[in-house]
Formats: sequence, C-alpha cells, structure tokens
Amino acid sequence: DVKVTQSSRYLVKRTGEKVFLECVQDMDHENMFWYRQDPGLGLRLIYFSYDVKMKEKGDIPEGYSVSREKKERFSLILESASTNQTSMYLCASSPVPLPNSRAASSPLHFGNGTRLTVT
Amino acid sequence: AQTVTQSQPEMSVQEAETVTLSCTYDTSENNYYLFWYKQPPSRQMILVIRQEAYKQQNATENRFSVNFQKAAKSFSLKISDSQLGDTAMYFCAYSNAGGTSYGKLTFGQGTILTVHP
Repeated sequence: DVKVTQSSRYLVKRTGEKVFLECVQDMDHENMFWYRQDPGLGLRLIYFSYDVKMKEKGDIPEGYSVSREKKERFSLILESASTNQTSMYLCASSPVPLPNSRAASSPLHFGNGTRLTVT
Repeated sequence: AQTVTQSQPEMSVQEAETVTLSCTYDTSENNYYLFWYKQPPSRQMILVIRQEAYKQQNATENRFSVNFQKAAKSFSLKISDSQLGDTAMYFCAYSNAGGTSYGKLTFGQGTILTVHP
C-alpha cells in the first residue's frame, strides 16, 4: 500500500514564525500536492510538484512556498506564519508521470493531515 | 477555471437505507474526470469512486454508484445499504484530462454524512 506520511499531526506556532510541514511518500510517485482544508471551503490547492525541483502554484499560493529536493519528499513552508493560515494541511501524491493524457485518472493518495494552529 | 459545488453541508441516513449526495460542477472542457472521496473522522482521505467523462456508463463500486449527467454537469453519489462505517465527510472532485493537468483536483465544499443505527 502507498504510504504518505506527514511529519506532524498537530502543530502550534506563533505569528511570524517560519513553519515547515514535511511530507514523504514511499512509492516513487512523480506528482505531489499540498492542499489546505477549511470548513465550508473544501480542499484548496496551494502548490504542486511534478518532479524533483519542479513546482507550480496552485489556487492559493500566497504566503507559502515549497521545496522538493528529493522525489519522495515535498515540504510546505510558511515563511512568516499568520493567524489566517490556521488550517488543516493535507499532502497527497499520485503515481502517473507527466505529461500524460491519463494523468488525471490516477487517484491521489493522501496523508493523515497536519492541523496547524497559529496564535 | 473549474468549480465544484456540493450544496448539502450535512446529510443523515438510517443504517441499511439508501442516501444520495449531490454534486454539480462547471467546466468548458469536454474530457475530464470526476471523483468522490471519503474522509472519515480518522482523517485519511480515500477514493470512493471515479468517473471518466467520455464514458456514458455510470461507475459502480459495490454499494457505491454514481449518476453522471454530463449535459447537466451533475455527478451524484448513491450509497446503498448504508453502514455505520460510511459516516464521513464526502468530497466531490474534478480533474481535467490532458498532460498539463498533472492530476490536480478541484474539490467541492464537502458533505458530512452521518449514518444512524
């Protein structure tokens, strides 16, 4: 079974801190994603990566950056945490290499999520 | 940009009964994929069922089936013989086909389903 592991289940940080959320997958997937989940808004894509050192902005990238130095690891960075970044963060990976017209047919495999509170 | 709308924030059903969760989407694309994901209280998001837009036949997976109405841009999920383990948040999701989609998903707001004994 594919395993996507997020390093922390709960995290509490102070406003202005630099925050790192780590995600590791064990199935050699090319694609990795960071979403945030908020009540009433569903999941929104922050950033994604389709290869090592490759990244693209999602729908809500402001205030975030990412790093993918190794294929299995995709880090989300909050440069200066703010209270409006309090949320549940979900990492996901998918197995299909791009470009591939059937890339979207492969399901995403999700981690358990990190609930981040910024005070 | 594509949008996905789930208009039912919460639903409840008695064990063994059938429930239908609604989802509508908006896209100008002709080829795409639709998904239903389940997020139990334990948080692990898992795929329930998926539908390819070019296939007219509705997808089924055991007790789960969809009603895909392409012209109406509607994609509902029917759960038959509901079980207590079906209690979860359900998300409808959309993805473009094509190489530049990278499998990115656009999600709806979610529907909390509670199955009562």
